[in-house]
This record gives sequence, C-alpha cells and structure tokens, in this order.
Amino acid sequence: QVHLVQSGAEVREPGASVKVSCKASGYTFSTYYIHWVRQAPGQGLEWMGWMNPDSGDTNYPQRFQDRVIMTRDTSITTAYLDLRGLKSDDAAVYYCARAGSTSHPYYMVVWGKGTTVTVSS
Amino acid sequence: DVLTQPPSVSVAPGQTARISCGRNNIGSKSVHWYQQRPGQAPVLVMFYNSDRASGIPERFSGSNSGNTATLTISRAEAGDEADYYCQLWDDSGDVVFGAGTKLTVL
Repeated sequence: QVHLVQSGAEVREPGASVKVSCKASGYTFSTYYIHWVRQAPGQGLEWMGWMNPDSGDTNYPQRFQDRVIMTRDTSITTAYLDLRGLKSDDAAVYYCARAGSTSHPYYMVVWGKGTTVTVSS
Repeated sequence: DVLTQPPSVSVAPGQTARISCGRNNIGSKSVHWYQQRPGQAPVLVMFYNSDRASGIPERFSGSNSGNTATLTISRAEAGDEADYYCQLWDDSGDVVFGAGTKLTVL
C-alpha cells in the first residue's frame, strides 16, 4: 500500500527557513513525480512545485522560484521541501503528493496527511 | 489563467449536484478533481476529465467541453459534503487549482 508520511508540525520565526520531509513507501520512489501543495487556514490549495525523484529535476511556479528548493534522498525514499525567508502568510498546511503516472506529473493520486507550519515571532 | 469555481453549491439529499470549473477553452485541457473533507488531505476523485479514481462511487462523473468542466454527483449523500477543487496542467508545465467549491448537502 502506498503511503506518504510527513514530518511533524513546525514553528518558525519570520525570516527563518523550514524543511519538511515526505517519506514514501509501497512503491518505487524514483518512478513517480512528487508535488508539494500548501493550504493556508480557510483557503484553497496552492501548488508549490514538482520534483522528479529520479533525475532531481524540479519545476517551481514563478512566485516561489527564489524561496523554494525541493530535494530528495533516494536511499531513504524521502522528498524534502525547503522554504526560506518565511513570512506570516506562509503559515499553512504543507502537503506532499505523488503523481498518478510514471511518465508525467499531471495529477496527484496519493497525498500525505500534511505538515502544519506556523510562522510567529 | 484562473480556474473559476462557484464558492458554494447546495443540493438536497438524493438530488444531483453539479460543480463547474471555468476557463477559456478548458475543453482542450485535461481536468482533474479533488475532494477535501474538513481537516483531511485532498483525495483524487476524477482524472482526465471523466475517469473515476480508485474507490470513487459511480455516482461521481465528469465532463469537459468548451469553456467549462463539470463534476457531477448523482444521488447526493451527506458524506459527499466537502470542498471540491478542479486542477489542470498548464502549457507552461505548471499546475493550476481552482479556488474550490464547498458542497453542502441539506
């Protein structure tokens, strides 16, 4: 059974960085893209980018390009989201999600339970 | 480009709910739909416009033509109450989500 297990809640001060992990199991990690999506309190879903775990290639939307880094450690089948320069409106639940196909990242089939990031001084 | 969804849709139990997702010429794209219950992660319900995800009842169906994609929920049940999001893959390689629609079954 496919699972994505995310790291626990984080509290950071404004200007700091946070690194969220996403441990995959139940499938071949390198063969499916991983997305990161966030959701601010009471708001909708916001896509933050995708990563190809095989090549390490990434694609970030322009609004995150200078603050987001997605990486992975294939030896422990874990993907990471690094978000720098935290602001109060980065407070959200951050989800990792696995793509539905081995050949493209068009949609997301399996989701982690989410990691709550609080930004507060 | 923005995907336009109605903020809310209400349906009586047993009736049919239709949730729209609009964008110019969206019919040329593949649209995917997610259900999110309060406090839970999203769940894929429909992909490639009209393919039901694993475990999703046949009451759920999808269509996409012209400027509107639609998720249809027949014989609505209380358990269908949730937020629903449409999503597509843009030509730029970016993922785009709609703002979401809150479905109320009353």
